[in-house]
Amino acid sequence: SQTIHQWPATLVQPVGSPLSLECTVEGTSNPNLYWYRQAAGRGLQLLFYSVGIGQISSEVPQNLSASRPQDRQFILSSKKLLLSDSGFYLCAWSTSSNEQFFGPGTRLTVL
Amino acid sequence: QKEVEQDPGPLSVPEGAIVSLNCTYSNSAFQYFMWYRQYSRKGPELLMYTYSSGNKEDGRFTAQVDKSSKYISLFIRDSQPSDSATYLCAMSDSNYQLIWGAGTKLIIKP
Repeated sequence: SQTIHQWPATLVQPVGSPLSLECTVEGTSNPNLYWYRQAAGRGLQLLFYSVGIGQISSEVPQNLSASRPQDRQFILSSKKLLLSDSGFYLCAWSTSSNEQFFGPGTRLTVL
Repeated sequence: QKEVEQDPGPLSVPEGAIVSLNCTYSNSAFQYFMWYRQYSRKGPELLMYTYSSGNKEDGRFTAQVDKSSKYISLFIRDSQPSDSATYLCAMSDSNYQLIWGAGTKLIIKP
């Protein structure tokens, strides 16, 4: 069966510090991968999606970036965090259907 | 106007009641419709997946799609306190991206 991992689970970072969040998927090949952000009490905002290694599409211009160095690995990064980057970051995967399956999320607080 | 509208609630009902959760949308090209359940501080989990119009039932959950009215519903029968969560609708006209509702917070009172 397929599983998706995210780490860390929680993170507190100062403004201006770098960020690296990692997501890995097991049990499937060539998945579509997604990064979402969810503000408190809000819906999901798609940040990036990837249909293959090295292929990244950005939905929202901002100081975040994403990379996919391996088929089942998706990384979200920032060189300098802003206060507005605080939120709940979710990674998801899908295959040929539209159903997306989510990881447990990373709660990021920028102080 | 947002592509997908969903009342954020909270919706509070007594245990055992039938719950109705709804979303409306504006894009007539949407064909794939999903409902997700999200517990506090957890990732969303897929509850129901429906293609095009019609009903789909899974245990206590029933999903309905009315494409003519651009309206989808999720019904929960015999609601339990463990059903308390935020319910998100999502829909798509393609294989890659989902358009999300804001989520409805549901509270089932024992």
